[in-house]
Amino acid sequence: SYDLTQPPSVSVSPGQTASVTCSGDKLRNKYVSWYQQRPGQSPVMVIYQDKRRPSGIPERFSGSNSGNTATLTISGTQAVDEADYYCQAWDGITVVFGGGTELTVL
Amino acid sequence: QLHLQESGPGLMKPSETLSLTCTVSGGSISGSDYYWGWLRQPPGKGLEWIGSISYTATTYFNPSLKSRVSISVDTSKNQFSLQLNSVIAADTAIYYCARHAQMPHEYNFFDPWGQGILVTVSS
Repeated sequence: SYDLTQPPSVSVSPGQTASVTCSGDKLRNKYVSWYQQRPGQSPVMVIYQDKRRPSGIPERFSGSNSGNTATLTISGTQAVDEADYYCQAWDGITVVFGGGTELTVL
Repeated sequence: QLHLQESGPGLMKPSETLSLTCTVSGGSISGSDYYWGWLRQPPGKGLEWIGSISYTATTYFNPSLKSRVSISVDTSKNQFSLQLNSVIAADTAIYYCARHAQMPHEYNFFDPWGQGILVTVSS
C-alpha cells in the first residue's frame, strides 16, 4: 500500500511562515490535497491539485509538490491557523491520507 | 451553498450493522460529475476513506473495508447511505460524508464535508 508521511507536529511563531510536509514515494507523480481540521470541527479543504486554493481560503495558504515531498506553506501564520493538517492523494486504487500534523502557533 | 448532514445511531453493539445516511441540501446529488463519499476518524486519530458512490450508483471502496461495506444512493431524496457490517470496537469513530470531486481521476478531493457523527461500538 502507498504511504504518506507527515511530521506529527510543527510549531511556528505568529506572523512567521509555517511549512507542513507530506512525503511519499514519487509523490510528484500524484496530486495532493490538504485539509485543515480545527479542534472539534470537520475538515476543510485548503489546497487541492497540489497548489490550487479553493474560494474563501486565504491567500496565505499555498501548496507545492516536487520529488517525494508535497508542502503546505502558510505565510504570515495567524493564531486562527492552529489546527491539524492532513495531506491526501490517490494511489490508483484507494484514497490515502497522511497521519496528520498538529500545527501550533506560539 | 452545498450542505451535507449525517444521521444515524450514535451507539451500537458489536456484530450489529451500522447504517448512516447523508442528506445533501443546497444542490442536487444527480446529474453531476461528483461522487459522494464516506470517511471516518477514530477519536484522536487520523482520517480514513471508506468509499464513494456516484449518482448512477458506481462505487469505489477502500480495499481494507470493502468486504464489510456497502454504499447506496437515493436521488429522489438527495441522500446517500453507508452500511458497515459486523461492527467491532475498532469501528468507533466520527463518520463524515463529503462530496468527492473529480473521481475517479487521480486528482480527486473532498469538499465540502458534513459535520460528522460519532458512532460508538460498545457492548
